[in-house]
Amino acid sequence: AQSVTQLDSQVPVFEEAPVELRCNYSSSVSVYLFWYVQYPNQGLQLLLKYLSGSTLVKGINGFEAEFNKSQTSFHLRKPSVHISDTAEYFCAVSLHNTDKLIFGTGTRLQVFP
Amino acid sequence: GAVVSQHPSWVICKSGTSVKIECRSLDFQATTMFWYRQFPKQSLMLMATSNEGSKATYEQGVEKDKFLINHASLTLSTLTVTSAHPEDSSFYICSASRLAEGYTGELFFGEGSRLTVL
Repeated sequence: AQSVTQLDSQVPVFEEAPVELRCNYSSSVSVYLFWYVQYPNQGLQLLLKYLSGSTLVKGINGFEAEFNKSQTSFHLRKPSVHISDTAEYFCAVSLHNTDKLIFGTGTRLQVFP
Repeated sequence: GAVVSQHPSWVICKSGTSVKIECRSLDFQATTMFWYRQFPKQSLMLMATSNEGSKATYEQGVEKDKFLINHASLTLSTLTVTSAHPEDSSFYICSASRLAEGYTGELFFGEGSRLTVL
């Protein structure tokens, strides 16, 4: 079975500071990896995904993530955050060639002025 | 972009009544739709997977008779919470994968429907 761990439930940060949201996964088979963002009272929006190829993946809104197979991690980073980045961020995995997503518990990013 | 719409976005009902939530893909055909449940400040829990014209596949622990899912067309799936009770109060979110050749790895999510059972 697959599982996703997001160790940080909340990450407070000041505007223009860098941020890293951590994600680790567990799976006995190869998986695809995703980061989704959820703004208040809204559905989820895809930030970025890793299917294959380069382990450094760039997404929307200046976010990027790096797939590290040996550490089974897929941490999300942004060099300089904005107030508008305040939201809930979910890491997710799916098995190859399936659309069934398993989500982590989410990390609340709170950006302060 | 691909848009998924849920209706209603917010519903309050009395205990014992049934509530239907619709999930529509507005500008694309969805091969598969998924239904999730999200508790406050928690992650999304996959409830079931539905494919057009076939029975939904429910995750372990999800009551099939409680949460009825119908996928009548490639653009519409419905979730009916039957005989709702206060513990069914939650945020329900649907997602859809687009009918396309090859795996794209992207799901499109609805805005969610907040159910409150009194």
